[in-house]
Amino acid sequence: QVQLVQSGSELKKPGASVKVSCKASGYTFTSYAMNWVRQAPGQGLEWMGWINTNTGNPTYAQGFTGRFVFSLDTSVSTAYLQISSLKAEDTAVYYCARTVRQWVAAAGFDPWGQGTLVTVSS
Amino acid sequence: EIVLTQSPATLSLSPGERATLSCGASQSVSSSYLAWYQQKPGLAPRLLIYDASSRATGIPDRFSGSGSGTDFTLTISRLEPEDFAVYYCQQYGSSPWTFGQGTKVEIK
Repeated sequence: QVQLVQSGSELKKPGASVKVSCKASGYTFTSYAMNWVRQAPGQGLEWMGWINTNTGNPTYAQGFTGRFVFSLDTSVSTAYLQISSLKAEDTAVYYCARTVRQWVAAAGFDPWGQGTLVTVSS
Repeated sequence: EIVLTQSPATLSLSPGERATLSCGASQSVSSSYLAWYQQKPGLAPRLLIYDASSRATGIPDRFSGSGSGTDFTLTISRLEPEDFAVYYCQQYGSSPWTFGQGTKVEIK
């Protein structure tokens, strides 16, 4: 079945970096765009951007430029989110989510990874 | 960017009742590119409806979506115990894609 499996929870100190992985299975990885969504504790959903899994070209939403990097390793059907210079306000659950339609970015998100909790604390 | 406003913030209903959730957009949503998600505590969101009215795979037919332009509705015809959760709308017609703030459907 189609699924996305993310890496485990991370505890980091301010200023450090973290890399979250999202491994896809059950479909052709390069046929569907991958999105990243943030959810701070007790808050709603915030779209961070998406990556074209065919070309590797990322698009970042405002507020997620500079310290946030989306990347791919298509040989293992995995997308990555790297966050550098971590701040306390980066504490959140980060989700990867595939588009429901092939070859387009404008589509609903299905499925979602299970989420990765990143905690930034000294 | 398009701002989505969901109402009400909380909906208190009993199992078996009908739930009507609203999502208003600050600008017209292109091509009715609007989705609805359900999220339960500690779990990832689940896609219910996309393109305003298309049910996602495996979603029961008690869930339906309607609307166009700036006004959209998610209807749950008869609430089951497992339907009590938070619901989010999302537009993907104009970048950046944006989410509403959520409606919590709680047991009355």
